[in-house]
Amino acid sequence: EIVLTQSPATLSLSPGERATLSCRASQTVSSFLAWYQQRPGQAPRLLIYDASNRATGIPARFSGSGSGTDFTLTISSLEPEDFAVYYCQQRSTWPLTFGGGTKVEI
Amino acid sequence: QVELVESGGGVVQPGRSLRLSCAASGFSFGSYGIHWVRQAPGKGLDWVALISYDGSYKDYADSVKGRFAISRDDSQNTVFLQMNSLRADDTAVYYCAKDRYRLATTGGGAFDLWGQGTMVIISS
Repeated sequence: EIVLTQSPATLSLSPGERATLSCRASQTVSSFLAWYQQRPGQAPRLLIYDASNRATGIPARFSGSGSGTDFTLTISSLEPEDFAVYYCQQRSTWPLTFGGGTKVEI
Repeated sequence: QVELVESGGGVVQPGRSLRLSCAASGFSFGSYGIHWVRQAPGKGLDWVALISYDGSYKDYADSVKGRFAISRDDSQNTVFLQMNSLRADDTAVYYCAKDRYRLATTGGGAFDLWGQGTMVIISS
């Protein structure tokens, strides 16, 4: 199965700062990568699909890039509600797999 | 209102069975695959199972293959997860999630709508 490695495990930033999250795949996933946000006590929410497409209703401060094995989620200016855990997930090869997550904390 | 609502979780002994339900509303249920994804306490997300939009394709994670079975009843807009031979490491919040891709024969594999989750605890 494809292993997704997210880094860093924890990112400590302040509101208004830029966040850059990384996801590396153990083999190519083409552009079949998604990003999710999970706030404490809540279900995950789709942010980005197919590497760079924002899901419906997702603010423009969230952007995704990359292809092959290296991907990035960027939050251009952190809002208070953005402090959460972020997961990447690939749909290139079954079984579907998730990364271990990056916690963005204040 | 577009939503998924899970039910059926609880505390059961190892080796016993449990059936989870996922009731959908607000979208064209028969056009989308539905997945189950679980999250052990304090851990990350693990994909568990998929049923395609028409029920013709099903797939499972190796960790549950042969023990879990997914099905759907389009007359009730509901997906089920029958879980047998439960083990302690099945303890998790179980989410159902709608596939983003309409009429995907083997499931598109991204999740654009999630339920609130139902907790399953396996303990003697």
